[in-house]
Amino acid sequence: AIQMTQSPSSLSASVGDRVTITCRASQVIRNDLGWYQQKPGKAPKLLIYAASSLQSGVPSRFSGSGSGTDFTLTISSLQPEDFATYYCLQDYNYPRTFGQGTKVEIK
Amino acid sequence: EVQLVESGGGLVQPGGSLRLSCAASGFTFSSYAMSWVRQAPGEGLEWVSAISGSGTGTYYADSVKGRFTISRDNSKNTLYLQMNSLRAEDTAVYYCAKHNTGTSSGVGGYWGQGTLVTVSS
Repeated sequence: AIQMTQSPSSLSASVGDRVTITCRASQVIRNDLGWYQQKPGKAPKLLIYAASSLQSGVPSRFSGSGSGTDFTLTISSLQPEDFATYYCLQDYNYPRTFGQGTKVEIK
Repeated sequence: EVQLVESGGGLVQPGGSLRLSCAASGFTFSSYAMSWVRQAPGEGLEWVSAISGSGTGTYYADSVKGRFTISRDNSKNTLYLQMNSLRAEDTAVYYCAKHNTGTSSGVGGYWGQGTLVTVSS
């Protein structure tokens, strides 16, 4: 199975900060990667698909980049509603695998 | 509007069985692959199983292979997860999710609200 190594596992940031989360795949997965945001007690919400495509309705402060094995989710200016846990998911093959998650907390 | 509504969760003893359902609406159900994803309390997300639109192709995580069976009834627009030989580590909220198209496509942006399965004596 492909391993997705996500970092950091948590971070503290202030409103307005630029935040970067990375995901590294244990093998090449082309651009078959999605980024999800999850808030407590809620289902995950898709932010980015195909590594860099913004899901409809998602604010443009979210962006994704990368291809092959290394991927990045960037929040250009952190907003209060962005404090949540973020996960990457490889859609390249089965079994599908998630990163361990990154909890973004208020500094 | 796409809607996915899970049901069937509850408390079950170790070694027991449970069948989860996911009622789908708002799209042509048979045209889309579906997945189950779970989340143990306080833990991250774990993909569990996927099925093709026709139901002929199925995939499983190693942790559930041989114990769980995914299926679908396209006439009822419903996805199922039959869970047998349940263990404490299967305790989780189980979500169903709609793929973008077939099984090779991304899991996508439509998820249910989840149903809680608790395995405990």
